[in-house]
Amino acid sequence: NAGVTQTPKFQVLKTGQSMTLQCAQDMNHNSMYWYRQDPGMGLRLIYYSASEGTTDKGEVPNGYNVSRLNKREFSLRLESAAPSQTSVYFCASSEDGEGYGYTFGSGTRLTVV
Amino acid sequence: GENVEQHPSTLSVQEGDSAVIKCTYSDSASNYFPWYKQELGKGPQLIIDIRSNVGEKKDQRIAVTLNKTAKHFSLHITETQPEDSAVYFCAASKGGSYIPTFGRGTSLIVHP
Repeated sequence: NAGVTQTPKFQVLKTGQSMTLQCAQDMNHNSMYWYRQDPGMGLRLIYYSASEGTTDKGEVPNGYNVSRLNKREFSLRLESAAPSQTSVYFCASSEDGEGYGYTFGSGTRLTVV
Repeated sequence: GENVEQHPSTLSVQEGDSAVIKCTYSDSASNYFPWYKQELGKGPQLIIDIRSNVGEKKDQRIAVTLNKTAKHFSLHITETQPEDSAVYFCAASKGGSYIPTFGRGTSLIVHP
């Protein structure tokens, strides 16, 4: 089925470890996004990419890096995980232009101990 | 920047009742207002949206209304069913390359 695929679905890290969250979409969308979701905080934008080769910081970029590998794939890297990065991470994509909604992936639940 | 406030944070109704969730926004240039439904353990899913040139839009049991003058928009769900239980998010966007601003979500519980 067409959509946004995220891997892994669950991950437990020790403080200081690194990992990369993978995201791929097959809808030929130019724009892709990474959000984190914490209880009571809603969805907060970490980074986004308006097109292949470009990335921009969102509301909460500290501690994260991203790579727009190609039009389909947008990865999120935690170089040195901290307990404050325990969260559910969602990747999303959207069409360009005026007023298009997002298609979200199913999320990665990350716990940093 | 844009600020979106969403109320209530929790809404509990009996099956068959109607549910209304309200959002206000601050930037009069916002022109696109989507609503998302997030079921437990899943990602948010777009369920309905409205653009600023339209006052109301309906899709079966759900409808969205927009009051541009007052800068608020609402989601209406009629004849609620247990499967409507989820977290609902509103958002406001100026479209184009602008990133939407999300509300903090409403947890809707429909009791059988």
